[in-house]
Parts: sequence; structure tokens; C-alpha cells
Amino acid sequence: GENVEQHPSTLSVQEGDSAVIKCTYSDSASNYFPWYKQELGKGPQLIIDIRSNVGEKKDQRIAVTLNKTAKHFSLHITETQPEDSAVYFCASGETSYDKVIFGPGTSLSVIP
Amino acid sequence: DTGVSQDPRHKITKRGQNVTFRCDPISEHNRLYWYRQTLGQGPEFLTYFQNEAQLEKSRLLSDRFSAERPKGSFSTLEIQRTEQGDSAMYLCASSPPGSAGELFFGEGSRLTVL
Repeated sequence: GENVEQHPSTLSVQEGDSAVIKCTYSDSASNYFPWYKQELGKGPQLIIDIRSNVGEKKDQRIAVTLNKTAKHFSLHITETQPEDSAVYFCASGETSYDKVIFGPGTSLSVIP
Repeated sequence: DTGVSQDPRHKITKRGQNVTFRCDPISEHNRLYWYRQTLGQGPEFLTYFQNEAQLEKSRLLSDRFSAERPKGSFSTLEIQRTEQGDSAMYLCASSPPGSAGELFFGEGSRLTVL
């Protein structure tokens, strides 16, 4: 069945350093890969997404890469700030208007 | 506040009781999703609607769970004969027409089954 794995489960970095979160997916039909950030007591919020027709996308300090052949995709956060501390979820879906399947999450702590 | 609204925010019930959660999506969002999240895990897909039509329901979902969206606006999720394993955060999300993809989540309804 559909499955998304995510590593690491916890990540601690010094302020200003980079953070990388990696995901793999099992459904070959997946073409849409969003990333969500969840702060304590809130619902997840989309921070960036990528579709299978591109290999990389960047938005300020955040970038995502996709290797569809290997079924891998990654989130890169540069120049981390304390407010980046949260749980990050990768997800995959066949299309951007279908359901998405979430990974188990990465708890990121940015130490001032 | 024009975000996704969920009610109640917290529900404590005894095993065997029925519970119902309500979700009011963002106005004019035609797709509505229900997810379940347990501590330390990612959201688990339950079901989703496009307007009033329920397009997909998770194969893992017990028949004790039922969801409706009768007029294509708000939705309800009912759990019958609750079990302790149903304790979780129930998240609702909505998405606008088109293929932008972003899910707008509410803050969730937390269920505790004693």
C-alpha cells in the first residue's frame, strides 16, 4: 500500500546551521509532494510543495529536491532560526487535488 | 476568523458512547478532508469529499466511522461505539477549486475515550 517514510525523527541544530529532512515514498503513481509544518496545538500548514515535473524548488531559506527514479525527496532549511522549531511532515499524493499520505514527522529544534 | 473551524475542540467520552465532530471549511472550498493524528505520528487519511460527494474512504477505517457533507458546506464525522483506540486528534482540512493542492487545516478536535 501507500507508505511514506521520513528521517530523522528528531533533529537538533544550532541557529544559523542547515537542516535536512529526507523522505521516501512507495506509490509509483505519486506526482505531488508537499511539506507541512506543525506547531504545538495547531494544524499542519503548507510551507512548500513540488510536483514530479521538476527536480528542485526553492523559496527563500527553504528548498525541496525530488528524485522520482529513487522515490526520494528532501527538505532543506538554511540559516535556521528558533522560529523554525516545529514538527515537519513530508507527504505524497497522486495529484494535488487528491488525498495526500503523510510521513511520521521530524521534530526540529533550533538552538539559539 | 475565516479559517477552518472545528467543534468541539475537546471531547472526553466513555467507551461505547457515540461522538460527533463538526467541521466548517473555508468558504467556497469545495474539497474537505478528515485526518486522524495520534501523538508523535503524522496525520492519517480517513476520508474526503468534493462538494457533497464522498470520493474516498480509507480501507483501514472501521465501519463505526461515518462522515457526511450533506450540502457541500460543513461536514460531520461520527464515531459509533467508541473504543480506547479511537483516542486521537481529528483534523479537518479544506482545499479550494483547482489543482493548487494546499490543504488548510483546522486546529482539530481532540477525542479522549476512557
